[in-house]
Amino acid sequence: DAGITQSPRHKVTETGTPVTLRCHQTENHRYMYWYRQDPGHGLRLIHYSYGVKDTDKGEVSDGYSVSRSKTEDFLLTLESATSSQTSVYFCAISESIHTQYFGPGTRLTVL
Amino acid sequence: KNEVEQSPQNLTAQEGEFITINCSYSVGISALHWLQQHPGGGIVSLFMLSSGKKKHGRLIATINIQEKHSSLHITASHPRDSAVYICAVTPNTGNQFYFGTGTSLTVIP
Repeated sequence: DAGITQSPRHKVTETGTPVTLRCHQTENHRYMYWYRQDPGHGLRLIHYSYGVKDTDKGEVSDGYSVSRSKTEDFLLTLESATSSQTSVYFCAISESIHTQYFGPGTRLTVL
Repeated sequence: KNEVEQSPQNLTAQEGEFITINCSYSVGISALHWLQQHPGGGIVSLFMLSSGKKKHGRLIATINIQEKHSSLHITASHPRDSAVYICAVTPNTGNQFYFGTGTSLTVIP
Protein backbone atom coordinates (compact mmCIF):
# COMPACT_ATOMS: atom_id res chain seq x y z
CA ASP A 1 0.00 0.00 0.00
CA ALA A 2 1.15 3.51 -0.80
CA GLY A 3 2.13 5.47 2.30
CA ILE A 4 -0.59 8.05 2.46
CA THR A 5 -2.42 9.20 5.57
CA GLN A 6 -5.11 11.75 6.26
CA SER A 7 -5.87 13.60 9.44
CA PRO A 8 -8.22 13.92 11.09
CA ARG A 9 -10.24 10.89 9.99
CA HIS A 10 -13.47 12.31 11.39
CA LYS A 11 -14.42 15.86 12.26
CA VAL A 12 -17.59 17.60 13.35
CA THR A 13 -17.56 21.36 13.25
CA GLU A 14 -19.94 24.29 13.19
CA THR A 15 -20.85 26.58 10.32
CA GLY A 16 -18.47 29.48 9.99
CA THR A 17 -15.46 27.86 11.62
CA PRO A 18 -12.20 27.29 9.77
CA VAL A 19 -11.15 23.69 9.13
CA THR A 20 -7.86 22.27 7.87
CA LEU A 21 -7.44 18.74 6.62
CA ARG A 22 -4.00 17.25 6.20
CA CYS A 23 -2.71 14.74 3.70
CA HIS A 24 0.71 13.24 4.31
CA GLN A 25 2.65 10.93 1.97
CA THR A 26 5.87 9.01 2.37
CA GLU A 27 6.19 8.06 -1.33
CA ASN A 28 7.77 11.27 -2.61
CA HIS A 29 5.15 11.43 -5.36
CA ARG A 30 4.98 14.65 -7.34
CA TYR A 31 1.21 15.00 -7.68
CA MET A 32 -1.29 15.31 -4.85
CA TYR A 33 -5.04 15.74 -5.10
CA TRP A 34 -7.99 16.59 -2.91
CA TYR A 35 -11.40 15.16 -3.82
CA ARG A 36 -14.79 15.20 -2.22
CA GLN A 37 -17.23 12.32 -2.47
CA ASP A 38 -20.97 12.86 -2.12
CA PRO A 39 -23.95 10.56 -2.76
CA GLY A 40 -25.06 10.77 -6.39
CA HIS A 41 -21.79 12.31 -7.48
CA GLY A 42 -18.54 10.74 -8.48
CA LEU A 43 -15.36 11.82 -6.83
CA ARG A 44 -14.93 15.48 -7.66
CA LEU A 45 -11.62 17.27 -7.77
CA ILE A 46 -11.24 20.23 -5.43
CA HIS A 47 -7.59 21.20 -5.94
CA TYR A 48 -4.43 19.49 -6.97
CA SER A 49 -0.71 20.09 -6.71
CA TYR A 50 2.01 19.29 -9.23
CA GLY A 51 4.90 20.28 -6.99
CA VAL A 52 5.87 22.24 -3.92
CA LYS A 53 4.03 25.57 -3.99
CA ASP A 54 2.43 24.62 -7.35
CA THR A 55 -1.29 24.14 -7.12
CA ASP A 56 -4.31 24.45 -9.38
CA LYS A 57 -8.08 24.47 -9.04
CA GLY A 58 -10.39 21.58 -9.76
CA GLU A 59 -14.05 21.62 -10.67
CA VAL A 60 -15.38 22.33 -7.14
CA SER A 61 -12.77 24.67 -5.68
CA ASP A 62 -15.05 27.46 -4.41
CA GLY A 63 -14.77 27.78 -0.62
CA TYR A 64 -11.54 25.79 -0.44
CA SER A 65 -7.87 26.70 -0.45
CA VAL A 66 -4.78 24.52 -0.42
CA SER A 67 -1.12 24.76 0.40
CA ARG A 68 1.88 22.57 -0.25
CA SER A 69 5.06 23.82 1.40
CA LYS A 70 6.70 20.37 1.48
CA THR A 71 6.59 17.46 -0.95
CA GLU A 72 5.00 15.22 1.65
CA ASP A 73 2.18 17.45 2.92
CA PHE A 74 -0.89 18.85 1.16
CA LEU A 75 -3.30 20.86 3.26
CA LEU A 76 -6.93 21.59 2.43
CA THR A 77 -8.52 24.55 4.23
CA LEU A 78 -12.14 25.50 4.49
CA GLU A 79 -11.89 29.14 5.51
CA SER A 80 -15.46 29.31 6.80
CA ALA A 81 -17.16 25.93 6.73
CA THR A 82 -20.72 25.63 5.41
CA SER A 83 -23.18 22.75 5.63
CA SER A 84 -22.75 22.14 1.88
CA GLN A 85 -19.16 21.15 2.62
CA THR A 86 -20.29 18.18 4.68
CA SER A 87 -18.71 15.34 2.75
CA VAL A 88 -16.06 12.67 2.70
CA TYR A 89 -12.73 14.05 1.57
CA PHE A 90 -10.10 11.91 -0.10
CA CYS A 91 -6.50 12.73 -0.77
CA ALA A 92 -4.68 10.97 -3.58
CA ILE A 93 -1.11 10.88 -4.82
CA SER A 94 0.49 9.94 -8.10
CA GLU A 95 3.84 10.04 -9.77
CA SER A 96 2.32 9.94 -13.24
CA ILE A 97 -1.14 10.32 -14.71
CA HIS A 98 -1.57 6.59 -14.84
CA THR A 99 -2.29 5.54 -11.27
CA GLN A 100 -3.52 7.39 -8.25
CA TYR A 101 -3.27 6.05 -4.72
CA PHE A 102 -5.95 7.13 -2.33
CA GLY A 103 -5.84 7.93 1.35
CA PRO A 104 -8.36 6.48 3.80
CA GLY A 105 -10.64 9.52 3.69
CA THR A 106 -11.84 12.14 6.18
CA ARG A 107 -15.50 12.36 7.09
CA LEU A 108 -16.38 16.00 7.74
CA THR A 109 -19.72 17.09 9.17
CA VAL A 110 -20.58 20.78 9.29
CA LEU A 111 -23.51 21.53 11.60
CA LYS B 1 -22.28 17.24 -17.73
CA ASN B 2 -20.81 13.86 -16.92
CA GLU B 3 -17.83 12.68 -18.85
CA VAL B 4 -18.16 9.19 -17.39
CA GLU B 5 -21.41 7.24 -17.06
CA GLN B 6 -21.76 3.90 -15.31
CA SER B 7 -24.54 1.35 -15.31
CA PRO B 8 -26.21 -0.04 -13.40
CA GLN B 9 -26.13 2.23 -10.35
CA ASN B 10 -27.04 -0.64 -8.05
CA LEU B 11 -26.72 -4.37 -8.56
CA THR B 12 -27.69 -7.31 -6.39
CA ALA B 13 -26.51 -10.79 -7.31
CA GLN B 14 -26.57 -14.26 -5.88
CA GLU B 15 -23.26 -15.80 -4.96
CA GLY B 16 -21.74 -17.52 -7.97
CA GLU B 17 -23.37 -15.32 -10.59
CA PHE B 18 -21.48 -13.67 -13.44
CA ILE B 19 -21.58 -9.89 -13.08
CA THR B 20 -21.06 -7.12 -15.61
CA ILE B 21 -20.68 -3.42 -14.88
CA ASN B 22 -20.56 -0.99 -17.76
CA CYS B 23 -18.80 2.33 -18.26
CA SER B 24 -19.16 4.80 -21.11
CA TYR B 25 -17.18 7.97 -21.53
CA SER B 26 -17.36 10.97 -23.81
CA VAL B 27 -13.80 12.33 -23.94
CA GLY B 28 -10.62 11.18 -25.60
CA ILE B 29 -8.62 9.25 -23.08
CA SER B 30 -5.13 7.96 -22.49
CA ALA B 31 -6.30 5.39 -19.94
CA LEU B 32 -9.34 4.02 -18.17
CA HIS B 33 -9.32 2.83 -14.58
CA TRP B 34 -11.49 0.56 -12.49
CA LEU B 35 -11.46 1.22 -8.77
CA GLN B 36 -13.02 -0.61 -5.85
CA GLN B 37 -14.36 0.99 -2.68
CA HIS B 38 -15.42 -1.20 0.21
CA PRO B 39 -17.80 -0.03 2.94
CA GLY B 40 -15.68 2.02 5.29
CA GLY B 41 -14.19 4.00 2.45
CA GLY B 42 -10.83 2.79 1.20
CA ILE B 43 -10.39 3.12 -2.57
CA VAL B 44 -8.05 0.80 -4.42
CA SER B 45 -7.13 0.55 -8.06
CA LEU B 46 -8.11 -2.71 -9.77
CA PHE B 47 -7.13 -2.09 -13.37
CA MET B 48 -5.70 0.47 -15.71
CA LEU B 49 -6.50 -0.10 -19.38
CA SER B 50 -5.65 1.66 -22.59
CA SER B 51 -6.69 -1.14 -24.94
CA GLY B 52 -7.93 -4.71 -25.05
CA LYS B 53 -8.50 -6.75 -21.94
CA LYS B 54 -6.92 -7.43 -18.57
CA LYS B 55 -7.59 -10.23 -16.09
CA HIS B 56 -6.82 -10.50 -12.41
CA GLY B 57 -8.19 -13.54 -10.66
CA ARG B 58 -11.96 -13.52 -11.12
CA LEU B 59 -12.01 -9.96 -12.42
CA ILE B 60 -11.82 -9.13 -16.11
CA ALA B 61 -11.80 -5.63 -17.60
CA THR B 62 -12.27 -4.85 -21.27
CA ILE B 63 -12.20 -1.64 -23.23
CA ASN B 64 -13.38 -0.66 -26.72
CA ILE B 65 -11.68 2.61 -27.57
CA GLN B 66 -13.71 3.20 -30.75
CA GLU B 67 -17.01 2.82 -28.90
CA LYS B 68 -15.72 4.65 -25.77
CA HIS B 69 -16.91 1.81 -23.59
CA SER B 70 -15.50 -0.47 -20.94
CA SER B 71 -16.87 -3.37 -18.96
CA LEU B 72 -15.84 -4.94 -15.68
CA HIS B 73 -16.79 -8.59 -15.28
CA ILE B 74 -16.72 -10.63 -12.10
CA THR B 75 -16.90 -14.39 -12.51
CA ALA B 76 -18.18 -16.68 -9.75
CA SER B 77 -19.15 -13.72 -7.58
CA HIS B 78 -18.66 -13.93 -3.83
CA PRO B 79 -20.04 -11.87 -0.95
CA ARG B 80 -16.59 -10.35 -0.41
CA ASP B 81 -16.96 -8.76 -3.86
CA SER B 82 -19.65 -6.52 -2.38
CA ALA B 83 -18.36 -3.00 -2.86
CA VAL B 84 -18.75 0.11 -4.97
CA TYR B 85 -16.97 -0.16 -8.31
CA ILE B 86 -15.87 3.12 -9.85
CA CYS B 87 -14.86 3.79 -13.42
CA ALA B 88 -12.46 6.68 -14.04
CA VAL B 89 -10.70 8.03 -17.11
CA THR B 90 -7.52 9.96 -17.69
CA PRO B 91 -8.28 12.37 -20.56
CA ASN B 92 -5.76 12.99 -23.33
CA THR B 93 -5.12 16.49 -22.01
CA GLY B 94 -4.55 17.57 -18.44
CA ASN B 95 -3.53 15.63 -15.38
CA GLN B 96 -6.89 14.85 -13.85
CA PHE B 97 -9.18 11.90 -13.56
CA TYR B 98 -12.88 12.01 -14.35
CA PHE B 99 -14.92 9.63 -12.25
CA GLY B 100 -18.22 7.84 -12.71
CA THR B 101 -20.70 7.84 -9.85
CA GLY B 102 -20.02 4.21 -9.08
CA THR B 103 -21.93 0.93 -9.13
CA SER B 104 -22.91 -0.47 -5.77
CA LEU B 105 -22.68 -4.27 -5.88
CA THR B 106 -24.17 -6.55 -3.25
CA VAL B 107 -23.54 -10.28 -3.52
CA ILE B 108 -25.91 -12.37 -1.41
CA PRO B 109 -24.77 -15.75 -0.06
